[in-house]
Amino acid sequence: GAGVSQSPSNKVTEKGKDVELRCDPISGHTALYWYRQSLGQGLEFLIYFQGNSAPDKSGLPSDRFSAERTGGSVSTLTIQRTQQEDSAVYLCASSSQGAIGTEAFFGQGTRLTVV
Amino acid sequence: QKEVEQNSGPLSVPEGAIASLNCTYSDRGSQSFFWYRQYSGKSPELIMSIYSNGDKEDGRFTAQLNKASQYVSLLIRDSQPSDSATYLCAVIKGSQGNLIFGKGTKLSVKP
Repeated sequence: GAGVSQSPSNKVTEKGKDVELRCDPISGHTALYWYRQSLGQGLEFLIYFQGNSAPDKSGLPSDRFSAERTGGSVSTLTIQRTQQEDSAVYLCASSSQGAIGTEAFFGQGTRLTVV
Repeated sequence: QKEVEQNSGPLSVPEGAIASLNCTYSDRGSQSFFWYRQYSGKSPELIMSIYSNGDKEDGRFTAQLNKASQYVSLLIRDSQPSDSATYLCAVIKGSQGNLIFGKGTKLSVKP
């Protein structure tokens, strides 16, 4: 596609429910990143996929968070048993990394509200 | 030490002035550096990338990189009210490809 696409744009869920957030990267981009941004805060790194390598999960805040990337393309971020502190904008970015990293482009984000 | 550090601001400059935004990073092996602009309620937008020591100019924007000092800066010439936003510095950590962001500097350009 022309850009990174995330769905849904907005998600309201009840505390304790599971949610799935989807990211469609730019076609051909091998690197995919997930970030979380709470209101008025910076970008918190969550997870990074690069090609067929094992993902860097070092930013996932708890075992309630998981992510997968199928076929090196679409990625899904899953949050189990959501808590109110999970409320944030979840941002996905992709890049076509070469020997030296190249530019990453962001989707429009998914605003998650846990009530 | 934080991996990528920026002054949170706010930085206020008058219209037409030069805005100077600074960033330091901790991983000496980092090779790729980026500046993003984020308007309130929007996603970050890439405005500059820089990979080599020295200056890189693009229109009113100049990125400066000093790897020895582990320092990256962004200069915005002839600042406009539309430049008012949060500017995020980002660094590829070492050779791993993990893209780490600073907290951002909020810039306000006053008419």
